[in-house]
Amino acid sequence: SQQGEEDPQALSIQEGENATMNCSYKTSINNLQWYRQNSGRGLVHLILIRSNEREKHSGRLRVTLDTSKKSSSLLITASRAADTASYFCATDRFSSGSARQLTFGSGTQLTVLP
Amino acid sequence: DTEVTQTPKHLVMGMTNKKSLKCEQHMGHRAMYWYKQKAKKPPELMFVYSYEKLSINESVPSRFSPECPNSSLLNLHLHALQPEDSALYLCASSLDGGSNQQARTEAFFGQGTRLTVV
Repeated sequence: SQQGEEDPQALSIQEGENATMNCSYKTSINNLQWYRQNSGRGLVHLILIRSNEREKHSGRLRVTLDTSKKSSSLLITASRAADTASYFCATDRFSSGSARQLTFGSGTQLTVLP
Repeated sequence: DTEVTQTPKHLVMGMTNKKSLKCEQHMGHRAMYWYKQKAKKPPELMFVYSYEKLSINESVPSRFSPECPNSSLLNLHLHALQPEDSALYLCASSLDGGSNQQARTEAFFGQGTRLTVV
């Protein structure tokens, strides 16, 4: 079942601009992760934020988490054409006892125009 | 070695065929996953193996049969598939999969097997 919903579904910006993507989820989580996927290829892990953290940075990436609103945002600063990809949030939660389950949101297709 | 290797990269099979998808990692990860991804959709979890034991089966039809021969290998056996099963099948692994809330669950993905059922 779909845990997270992302918006916007598609985002087109000019190189150098910032891109912001949002993710909402429904159940309690251990952590929330963001992944990137180039067309038709495997996903690449970008950043993880734990449920007791509010903000995290990694290079040009900034992630926020608001557990009261069950939402997260990913900000990519000074975007480059090479950032063009699909971006997914994924929630990590316990499922059926101690097993961990990583469930992906619907994704945002980012296009950065040179 | 930080790779998850999936073979084959592409597979075309008939509805009466039996085939297997293979996945291998040598990072010492103890959790391994199969995901199915249709075009323009997010990956959907199919199976989770934690410490070589099947811990999650997301109501996947029995024509998909997972196997974890050892901690480095994960197979997905396919039999009597339908055309709607055509998709990108992704394997992933993570260091931990257990009950520790601080467990390292960042997933490393393979490049996937593009499956077409004819």
